[in-house]
Amino acid sequence: AQKVTQAQTEISVVEKEDVTLDCVYETRDTTYYLFWYKQPPSGELVFLIRRNSFDEQNEISGRYSWNFQKSTSSFNFTITASQVVDSAVYFCALSVGGANSKLTFGKGITLSVRP
Amino acid sequence: NAGVTQTPKFRILKIGQSMTLQCTQDMNHNYMYWYRQDPGMGLKLIYYSVGAGITDKGEVPNGYNVSRSTTEDFPLRLELAAPSQTSVYFCASSYSINEQFFGPGTRLTVL
Repeated sequence: AQKVTQAQTEISVVEKEDVTLDCVYETRDTTYYLFWYKQPPSGELVFLIRRNSFDEQNEISGRYSWNFQKSTSSFNFTITASQVVDSAVYFCALSVGGANSKLTFGKGITLSVRP
Repeated sequence: NAGVTQTPKFRILKIGQSMTLQCTQDMNHNYMYWYRQDPGMGLKLIYYSVGAGITDKGEVPNGYNVSRSTTEDFPLRLELAAPSQTSVYFCASSYSINEQFFGPGTRLTVL
């Protein structure tokens, strides 16, 4: 069975601080995909990134960066120079190899960025 | 493209009533999903479909039914509403193993 753990439940930072959101996953499959989604206060779910298990390269997109480490089964997300608009709930999710691509979600991390 | 649309946005049901949550996507995605989101619990998969005529149970299917007669539509049926089904329901679609696109959600309250 698959599992995603987001141990941090709520994080509060002041604008311009850097913040890292942790994600630890469990699966016995060798082929899997990891995702991050953002859920702003308006409620919709916004896709941020997908990473497959064979690609351990870190990725940077503007102020966002992701660190994938298979050795520790982690897929952490860092926001550099946080902004108030980054305030949201962030979900890490896992999909194992196969035809159905069902997502297993973590419980989410509520990030509050104060001005 | 409208993406994934869901109706209604909000609904209040009485215990024992039934209703159908509608979901439509116009991206020609083969995979569709229903999730429910409870406070502090993330999203849990209710049912999913890998194509028209094919559906399967997810993690929390009890109390729900689905059908997939077309590629575009994936309605979720609640037969006998219970307070435990108070939640926010999200429909999503994807093309194979790519990222899932989510609808805006339906907030359901059962009293």
